[in-house]
Parts: sequence; structure tokens; C-alpha cells
Amino acid sequence: QTVVTQEPSVTVSPGGTVTLTCASTTGAVTSGYYANWFQQKPGQAPRALIYTTTNKHSWTPARFSGSLIGGKAALTLSAVQPEDEAEYYCLLFYGGAHPWVFGGGTKVTVL
Amino acid sequence: QVQLVESGGGVVQPGRSLRLSCEASGFTFSRYGIHWVRQAPGKGLEWVAMISYDGSDKYYADSVKGRFTISRDNSKNTLYLQLSSLRAEDTAVYYCAKTYMDLYYYYFGMDVWGQGTTVTVSS
Repeated sequence: QTVVTQEPSVTVSPGGTVTLTCASTTGAVTSGYYANWFQQKPGQAPRALIYTTTNKHSWTPARFSGSLIGGKAALTLSAVQPEDEAEYYCLLFYGGAHPWVFGGGTKVTVL
Repeated sequence: QVQLVESGGGVVQPGRSLRLSCEASGFTFSRYGIHWVRQAPGKGLEWVAMISYDGSDKYYADSVKGRFTISRDNSKNTLYLQLSSLRAEDTAVYYCAKTYMDLYYYYFGMDVWGQGTTVTVSS
């Protein structure tokens, strides 16, 4: 059973920087996992932010960036705004019969 | 603009069936794979199923395999999810989401999501 692990919660001050990570029980996350990141606010559908580890969608604010850090996929929020308070989910691609697994999500509080 | 609209949710008894629909507009539906993702109340996202652009490839999560069936009608720009042998743990908001890249490049992930339809399994 593949498990994708994220920090349950983080708190960041307005204007600050925070990095969320996404780890796999199968080992180091590489570019071959094509990591995606999504933002979800209460009562709303998820919104895609990052695809294939580092690439932003046309609507993704510049302050969001994706990378690989220490064998994990990472999402960095810079110059955090109050409206960035949300749940953030990563998605990894494993291929095979059950290709996609979401992480458990990280709740970001801006305080 | 690109849009996905889910429908078909409701309250259903355990063991019964339900069919969800996802109507697409604003893009060439027949060139893109589509996913179903669900979210139980107060819980995280769970990937459920995915169908390739032409319907030739289908993938399922272990939790639904053998009970749920994904299909599509490209002439109607519509995706379906047939839910059978429903259990209480299938209670969730069900979202459809479009693959970011077309044709077989579905490993790139998802971009546009619908607003979801709620399924409640209860006696």
C-alpha cells in the first residue's frame, strides 16, 4: 500500500515563506513522479497550481513554486498572502494499475 | 471557457447503485483523459478512477475496483461513473477533473476541476 505523506499543518506569517513537502513510502520522489500540487479552500473544488514538479499553470500566482528537496516534492509559498490560507494537496504518479495517489494534505494557516 | 459540470449525486441506500455524469465544454473533450476524485466529509482527496481520451484505458483505485465503472461518450462530451454495491464509506463529494495534457500524456496530471456532486450512502 503506497502512502504519500504531507505535513498535517503549518502556520506562516503574512509576507513570510513556507515550504510544504510530499514524501512517498516507496522512496525518493523524483521528476518521474510528475508531482502535482492543488489548493483547496473550504467549500470549494480543488484548484491546480503546479504540474510535473515545477511547472505553473497560467493562473498560478508567481509566489507559488514547485521543486524537489531532499527526496521529496516541495511547494514553496513566498510572500504569503492572507488568501493563501487553504489546504494543499500533492499528487504523485506511480504508473501501473493504480497510477495516482494523493497526499493527505497540509492545512496552511496565515497568522 | 473550459468547464466541467457533475451531476447525478443523491442519497442512496447501501448496496444500491447510482450513475454520476460529468458534462464537459470549452475544449476538445475527445482528446483528453478525465479523472474522478472523491472527498469524504472532513477528509482529504482520494483518486478514484481515470479513463483515457478514447476510452481504451481505464484505471481504478483498489477501494472501488470491481464496484465502480468509468466510461465516456465522446459524441455527448460526457463522462460517467457507475457506482454499484455502494457502502457507507463511499459517501463523498465526487469531482471530475481533466488531464492537463491531451492524448496519452495523462501522467502530467490534472488541471480543470468541476464543482462536484455529493453522494450520500445511508439507510
